[in-house]
Amino acid sequence: KQEVTQIPAALSVPEGENLVLNCSFTDSAIYNLQWFRQDPGKGLTSLLLIQSSQREQTSGRLNASLDKSSGRSTLYIAASQPGDSATYLCAVRPDAGGTSYGKLTFGQGTILTVHP
Amino acid sequence: GAGVSQSPSNKVTEKGKDVELRCDPISGHTALYWYRQSLGQGLEFLIYFQGNSAPDKSGLPSDRFSAERTGGSVSTLTIQRTQQEDSAVYLCASSLDTGYEQYFGPGTRLTVT
Repeated sequence: KQEVTQIPAALSVPEGENLVLNCSFTDSAIYNLQWFRQDPGKGLTSLLLIQSSQREQTSGRLNASLDKSSGRSTLYIAASQPGDSATYLCAVRPDAGGTSYGKLTFGQGTILTVHP
Repeated sequence: GAGVSQSPSNKVTEKGKDVELRCDPISGHTALYWYRQSLGQGLEFLIYFQGNSAPDKSGLPSDRFSAERTGGSVSTLTIQRTQQEDSAVYLCASSLDTGYEQYFGPGTRLTVT
């Protein structure tokens, strides 16, 4: 059974800092990994999706890396801003071929607070 | 274009009543997913559809939960004889096809009193 762990559970940083959020998964047989942000009382917003064959993806100030063999992904946020404050979730999808192919398994999330 | 929409946004019901939650996926998306988010359990997968068929129902908590999708578009999640432990936010997502990036709706907050 796939298990996804995110560290730290919460993080508070001053504006302008670069920061790293960590995600680890127990079963390396994944098809892709997706990072989301969730604002309080809202749904999930997709940030980045990394295919299992890729090492990293970048979007603006965000960079996500994937080391499939070791079961790890990191989300790097450069020059953090108060508007980045949210819960960040990572989720993995299993390899194609099984009936569970469509299922995302989520971590518990990292609550990020960026203060001015 | 329009994103995933869900209705109602909030639902308060009495224990023992049946509820129906609706999801409208992004137009053209063939895959549709239901998840549940609760304080104690985090985000849990319930069921997903590819077209109108459901290859994976493994996350449905009990036989009180069912879901259907008609016309390859709108989906309804039904919870019969609701219990207090059913209280949660129910999230729907869709993707172009199974395996593609999933886009989430705003969720339905269900409170069972």
